[in-house]
Parts: sequence; structure tokens; C-alpha cells
Amino acid sequence: NAGVMQNPRHLVRRRGQEARLRCSPMKGHSHVYWYRQLPEEGLKFMVYLQKENIIDESGMPKERFSAEFPKEGPSILRIQQVVRGDSAAYFCASSPPSIYEQYFGPGTRLTVT
Amino acid sequence: GIQVEQSPPDLILQEGANSTLRCNFSDSVNNLQWFHQNPWGQLINLFYIPSGTKQNGRLSATTVATERYSLLYISSSQTTDSGVYFCATGGSNYKLTFGKGTLLTVNP
Repeated sequence: NAGVMQNPRHLVRRRGQEARLRCSPMKGHSHVYWYRQLPEEGLKFMVYLQKENIIDESGMPKERFSAEFPKEGPSILRIQQVVRGDSAAYFCASSPPSIYEQYFGPGTRLTVT
Repeated sequence: GIQVEQSPPDLILQEGANSTLRCNFSDSVNNLQWFHQNPWGQLINLFYIPSGTKQNGRLSATTVATERYSLLYISSSQTTDSGVYFCATGGSNYKLTFGKGTLLTVNP
């Protein structure tokens, strides 16, 4: 059973460009979570999604950030008009329904130049 | 929200030594996990342990939920154990709150 997959592993964007981060959960997992690790702030929850539904986006910045988990395909975290402060490691995790344990992917390291 | 505190913040060991890392949390929990972030930045699941004791090789963990703390034991440490160890809990829900971590350095 393959683990949580994230791609790309490293992403470089210039200020003002868009960044798209993809996450494929483990087989049988229908719940996806995104976390961000900023250098001085540690790991923080961003959003929790189930298939075609955003359950909790309380940790998402109000502007420029969005997330989706379509019926088919990976979950996408989208950052529009990136700024240098968006440079961070973005981790995706998944879990089966009704199970608290979360399994983390290897992360995507976003660098904004 | 729930508060998670880890100690010590830094730990330096010689290879072969044992260590204990502590995680205190401010509320009752339904989930608690320990992770190792290796020098390449990957988060490795170590234990899911909302209560009780588990062991996996040289690592073991104990959570005393009634007293709101968890311990991670590393025995016979190796240089490959170096990295940051995180404790995380969601309290009674799914949103994990992470501690600030313990930076472990194991010297040969």
C-alpha cells in the first residue's frame, strides 16, 4: 500500500505566480488534511477536506489560498499571486473515515523568489 | 484551543545513549501522535498513542491521558535518530496541534 504522495517535492515560483500543490491520499483514505511549516512558526493546520467537501478551512489564509478534493484525482492546494512569505514546506496527510490517526506525505517545499 | 508543550527543546547525545522526550498537553485527547522529522524534512509517523504504551524496536511511547502527558523513549541511540521529534494532538477533534519539537543530535 503506497503512502501519501505529494508532488512536486520542490517548487520554485516567482512573486505573483500561481503555485499548485498536489496530494494523493493513501488507498482507502477519504479524508485529507493540509499543514504548513513556516521557519519560525512550526507546523500549523490549514484545511480539512473530504471528497468534494471542505470540512474545516479555519487555518487557511483568507486570501489567495484555496483547496479542493474532487471526486476523482488528487487534492489540490492552490496559492495565487505568491509572495515571499508563502515560502514554506506544505504537508498533506490522510486518514480513513472515523479514524483519528493521520499519515503524512513527504511534503512540498515551496520557494518564492 | 489545545496547547502542546515539548521538552527539552534541544538534546545532544553520544551514540548508544538513552533519552526521554516529554509532551504535555492542556486538555483531554482522543488522538496523540509522535513524529520524527529527518534532516531531509520528511515527517515520519512513529506512534499513534492516545493512551497506553507501545513499542517499536528501540523506540517506545507512553501516554498517561489522565495526567495529560506523553513520553517518547529512545534507547541505544544511533546517528540516524538525529532530527526533530514532534508531538501532536487534536484534542477531541481531527485538527492536529503540534508542539515546537525537540531537536535531537546524536554524535558518533
